[in-house]
Amino acid sequence: AQSVTQLDSQVPVFEEAPVELRCNYSSSVSVYLFWYVQYPNQGLQLLLKYLSGSTLVKGINGFEAEFNKSQTSFHLRKPSVHISDTAEYFCAVSDQGFQKLVFGTGTRLLVSP
Amino acid sequence: NAGVTQTPKFQVLKTGQSMTLQCAQDMNHNSMYWYRQDPGMGLRLIYYSASEGTTDKGEVPNGYNVSRLNKREFSLRLESAAPSQTSVYFCASKRELSMNTEAFFGQGTRLTVV
Repeated sequence: AQSVTQLDSQVPVFEEAPVELRCNYSSSVSVYLFWYVQYPNQGLQLLLKYLSGSTLVKGINGFEAEFNKSQTSFHLRKPSVHISDTAEYFCAVSDQGFQKLVFGTGTRLLVSP
Repeated sequence: NAGVTQTPKFQVLKTGQSMTLQCAQDMNHNSMYWYRQDPGMGLRLIYYSASEGTTDKGEVPNGYNVSRLNKREFSLRLESAAPSQTSVYFCASKRELSMNTEAFFGQGTRLTVV
């Protein structure tokens, strides 16, 4: 069975600073990895996904993530954050059948001026 | 194009009451899901439906029932609500169960059981 660990429950950062949100996964088979964002009082929106190919994946709103198989990680990064990036970010893993998404516990990104 | 629509947005129930959360999607998706979101626990899958007429249990199905009424609608029923079911419930849909396509989420139903 797959599982996802997001070690940071909250990450405070100043506007225009870089940020990294950490995600580690465990699985005995090949996995597919996703990052979702949830703005206040909204549903979840897909930021980016890794299925195969290049390990550096670019998503919407200037975010990118790097798949590292040896470290079983899929960290999310942005070189310069905006106030509007304040949200909760969820890492998720899916098995090869894509039947179910298993989510991490989420990381709340707080961007202040 | 409304996407995934959930009703109601907010609900307060007394312990033991029953209610049905409604979900409808207008994207002609085959697969639909119900998740609950609790602080510090992320989203956990309650039930899912691969296609019209089929439903399967997820990670936390106890205390819930579901109905895939037609291709568009997937409802979640609490027969006898308990305080432990206080949560935010999200419905999601995907074109096909076993495809690497994006899952679309509704805006959630915030349920409080007192």
